[in-house]
Amino acid sequence: EVHLAESGGGLVQPGGSLRLSCAASGYSFSSYWMHWVRQAPGKGLVWVSRINTDGRTTDYADSVKGRFTISRDNAKNTLYLQMNGLRVEDTAVYFCGRDLSGEYDNWGQGTLVTVSS
Amino acid sequence: DIVMTQSPLSLPVTPGEPASISCRSSQVLVHSNGKIFMAWYLQKPGQSPQVLIYLGFNRASGVPDRFSGSVSGTDFTLKISRVEAEDVGIYYCMQALQTPYTFGQGTKLEIK
Repeated sequence: EVHLAESGGGLVQPGGSLRLSCAASGYSFSSYWMHWVRQAPGKGLVWVSRINTDGRTTDYADSVKGRFTISRDNAKNTLYLQMNGLRVEDTAVYFCGRDLSGEYDNWGQGTLVTVSS
Repeated sequence: DIVMTQSPLSLPVTPGEPASISCRSSQVLVHSNGKIFMAWYLQKPGQSPQVLIYLGFNRASGVPDRFSGSVSGTDFTLKISRVEAEDVGIYYCMQALQTPYTFGQGTKLEIK
């Protein structure tokens, strides 16, 4: 069974950093593009970033470009999101996802990031 | 950025009755490989989104056959033939043709 499990969320002050992780199991992790999507409290879904299978190609939403870095370790079946320069507006549940819009589309349960002083 | 516009935003439905949600994209979502990079998701209360329809009109594995997706140019429709109580939640359309991927505003389906 495919399973994606996010971790690393928590409370951080504005300007601080966090690293989110997404542990994948039940499939060939290195074969799929991976994504981060976030959802602010009571709001809709917003795509954040994606990474290709070997980690060499990445894309970001303008709102996080230059502050967030997506990466993956295919040997550890893990996706990461390094978040620096956090802002209050980055407060959200962060979901990792596989193959968005495709046949093997799957999402994790999410991890909450709260940016507040 | 590609804009995805959903309607209605609120959808009260009587169990057993059909329901339909529309999504319009600001540009055609057909890739040069012929695939339509668009999906429908349902986010049930307190849960993460789950895919219902992928690549425009394909029903995802495990999704009941009362759900169907159709495409006509830049217009996408999700239909539920007979709504059940377990179908409550927020439905989103999403385009994945180009980054940034973008979502519709969401349609909240509730049971009358």
